[in-house]
Amino acid sequence: GDSVTQMEGPVTLSEEAFLTINCTYTATGYPSLFWYVQYPGEGLQLLLKATKADDKGSNKGFEATYRKETTSFHLEKGSVQVSDSAVYFCALTGTGNQFYFGTGTSLTVIP
Amino acid sequence: EAQVTQNPRYLITVTGKKLTVTCSQNMNHEYMSWYRQDPGLGLRQIYYSMNVEVTDKGDVPEGYKVSRKEKRNFPLILESPSPNQTSLYFCASSLDFPYEQYFGPGTRLTVT
Repeated sequence: GDSVTQMEGPVTLSEEAFLTINCTYTATGYPSLFWYVQYPGEGLQLLLKATKADDKGSNKGFEATYRKETTSFHLEKGSVQVSDSAVYFCALTGTGNQFYFGTGTSLTVIP
Repeated sequence: EAQVTQNPRYLITVTGKKLTVTCSQNMNHEYMSWYRQDPGLGLRQIYYSMNVEVTDKGDVPEGYKVSRKEKRNFPLILESPSPNQTSLYFCASSLDFPYEQYFGPGTRLTVT
């Protein structure tokens, strides 16, 4: 069935370090792919999305490219800030009009 | 302001006492959904609705009911809550499937 596998956390980085959070997926058909961010005590917010192969989603310095050949959608940012500390979720649209989420990756950025 | 609201935000209850968590959106969205978030398991979809009077089971529907009598509202009903339903619950809506979802602030439920 459809599923998302996300890099285990937690991840701790120093400010201005490079961030990669890995996400791979299993899906039939052609899913849309998303990254959501959850700040402490809040609901999830859309960070970026891609709807077809080779699309690159980007927002607030974060980027992810839809790679059909490797079934991946890795999240990257060139220089993280303390304010990027949050939990990040990879998600996809699956069969049967459902959404599937990964387990989340907690990121802490230290000054 | 475009938003998804949930009530209550926090709830402590006892096993077997029926409860309802309300969800409302003001964006005229077609698609609405309920999730539970548990440590190490991420978000799992409980139920979703493509439109008024159309609801379908997600991956973890056991012990839950929903209804969609109006487009804006999508309540989650636990008829006989059990301790394994202790979790953080999120309601979400989207313009339609497969567009991005907008999430409510969450409801933390504890069943003793």
